[in-house]
Amino acid sequence: NAGVTQTPKFQVLKTGQSMTLQCAQDMNHNSMYWYRQDPGMGLRLIYYSASEGTTDKGEVPNGYNVSRLNKREFSLRLESAAPSQTSVYFCASRGPPGDGYTFGSGTRLTVV
Amino acid sequence: EDKVVQSPLSLVVHEGDTVTLNCSYEVTNFRSLLWYKQEKKAPTFLFMLTSSGIEKKSGRLSSILDKKELFSILNITATQTGDSAIYLCAPSSGNTPLVFGKGTRLSVIA
Repeated sequence: NAGVTQTPKFQVLKTGQSMTLQCAQDMNHNSMYWYRQDPGMGLRLIYYSASEGTTDKGEVPNGYNVSRLNKREFSLRLESAAPSQTSVYFCASRGPPGDGYTFGSGTRLTVV
Repeated sequence: EDKVVQSPLSLVVHEGDTVTLNCSYEVTNFRSLLWYKQEKKAPTFLFMLTSSGIEKKSGRLSSILDKKELFSILNITATQTGDSAIYLCAPSSGNTPLVFGKGTRLSVIA
């Protein structure tokens, strides 16, 4: 099925460990996004990529890096995980400007 | 700075009740407003509204936009337990990323 695929679905990290969240879409969308969702805070934008080869910071970029590897893939890296990064992470993509997003199924990350 | 305020933040109703969820917004270069439903996993798309005063319907759900007063409402009639979810709204200004409200958590009890 066409859509956005995120891996892994669950992850537990120790403080200071690093990891990369993977995201791929097969809808030929230009724009891709990483959000985190915490209770009572809604969805907050971490980083986004408006097109292949570009990335920009969102509302909460500290502690994260991203790579737009090609048009399909947009990865999110935590270099040194902290308990404050415990959250549910969603990747999303969008086709034409103004259209809605298609979301991945999310990654539940716990940092202990 | 773009702002999106949803109310109420949470709501508990009985099956069969009708609910109205509110979304007010302030964005530059407004193009459309989107509503999403989020159950246990990722948000799923409900409606995109671009014109004031034109109601969009999907079964028991309907939504309307007021571009003059900068708000939208989402109505759910004859609620069912399957309507229990977080409902998110997000105004779109074209190319810029969506800014989501904090959501309304709806719980429908039998």
